[in-house]
Amino acid sequence: LAKTTQPISMDSYEGQEVNITCSHNNIATNDYITWYQQFPSQGPRFIIQGYKTKVTNEVASLFIPADRKSSTLSLPRVSLSDTAVYYCLVGDEAGNNDMRFGAGTRLTVKP
Amino acid sequence: GAVVSQHPSWVICKSGTSVKIECRSLDFQATTMFWYRQFPKQSLMLMATSNEGSKATYEQGVEKDKFLINHASLTLSTLTVTSAHPEDSSFYICSARGVVRNEQYFGPGTRLTVT
Repeated sequence: LAKTTQPISMDSYEGQEVNITCSHNNIATNDYITWYQQFPSQGPRFIIQGYKTKVTNEVASLFIPADRKSSTLSLPRVSLSDTAVYYCLVGDEAGNNDMRFGAGTRLTVKP
Repeated sequence: GAVVSQHPSWVICKSGTSVKIECRSLDFQATTMFWYRQFPKQSLMLMATSNEGSKATYEQGVEKDKFLINHASLTLSTLTVTSAHPEDSSFYICSARGVVRNEQYFGPGTRLTVT
């Protein structure tokens, strides 16, 4: 089961682009990469999911290099409300995934 | 996106009593649900995986007789904290697996305080 490693914390300023990288050296061929956002006293919220190359939705982009041993969540033009903890998880399509969370990255956006 | 609800959102109980937390998938069927516990400033800790109609699989170190999980239907799983003690005070979160790839939809969480 793939384990993930992320920076413990990051600081940014409003309007900047933030990139959070997750390492998953033991990712399996069938594994997808999923990112979640969590605010205090709330359940995690799905942000984006991808398998390879680049995925973009209305809130973020996910970049995955060819070897898939890492992934980068990109948040364009962050605002104060993006201050949260961000988690990456890996798992396969069949659901045989490891839903154990790592420590996550605590992002603080400053004015 | 899919919606998962939890009830209650918060509960205060006396030491020694039992508390039941419900997790419902509102607009989809969930064959698998997960239960997590989260202490302040910490990550989510997986407690157990629950498949509809079968016994839950507990993570190492989680007492199955203390944390009773029932997943009787495709839309409902319950976690009962039996004989609760102050150290059981925590934020309990459930999630349900959707049908698209392995997306997980999380509930809003239940804050349990044991006095």
